[in-house]
Amino acid sequence: QVQLQQPGAELVKPGASVKLSCKASGYTFTSYWMHWVKQRPGQGLEWIGEINPSNGRTNYNEKFKSKATLTVDKSSSTAYMQLSSLTSEDSAVYYCAMGGNYFDYWGQGTTLTVSS
Amino acid sequence: DIQMTQSPSSLSASLGERVSLTCRASQDIGSSLNWLQQEPDGTIKRLIYATSSLDSGVPKRFSGSRSGSDYSLTISSLESEDFVDYYCLQYASSPLTFGAGTKLELK
Repeated sequence: QVQLQQPGAELVKPGASVKLSCKASGYTFTSYWMHWVKQRPGQGLEWIGEINPSNGRTNYNEKFKSKATLTVDKSSSTAYMQLSSLTSEDSAVYYCAMGGNYFDYWGQGTTLTVSS
Repeated sequence: DIQMTQSPSSLSASLGERVSLTCRASQDIGSSLNWLQQEPDGTIKRLIYATSSLDSGVPKRFSGSRSGSDYSLTISSLESEDFVDYYCLQYASSPLTFGAGTKLELK
């Protein structure tokens, strides 16, 4: 069965960077684009961007172009999202999601806390 | 960017009641709309894809439809596990955008 495994939580200091991971299993990793979504506490969902694992091609929401960098490691079937220059506004749950009909499957999300 | 206006933002309903949630698209998105369900622990699951196709394992009391630029999720007879949050998502055009969500509450 398809699984997208994400770490439960990350704690980082303001101004730092963090690299969130999403390990895929149960399907051919290179067959489907991987998406990343942000959800601030008590708020709705925002699409950050997507990456094609077969060739590394990316599409970003303009709002996150200077904040997020998406990459993949095909050898470990893992997608990554690096977030830079972190502030309290980046504290949120970050989900990875994929599927042929858009967001068929979701990870459990990583709760990122930016605090000194 | 395509705006998805979701209504109502919250809805109080009773067990067994029939309810409909709506998303209105600011531009033509064709059938490129999904409905998502989010549990209190954050778990997100897709219910409906391509406007009206039911995902595998999703109870048949859920259905999706379209009338012009209005997209609806209907739950025919509410059960206790349905009182969670719902979001629509359009994927016709980048950036992908979500509705603001509907919180379904037990009356």
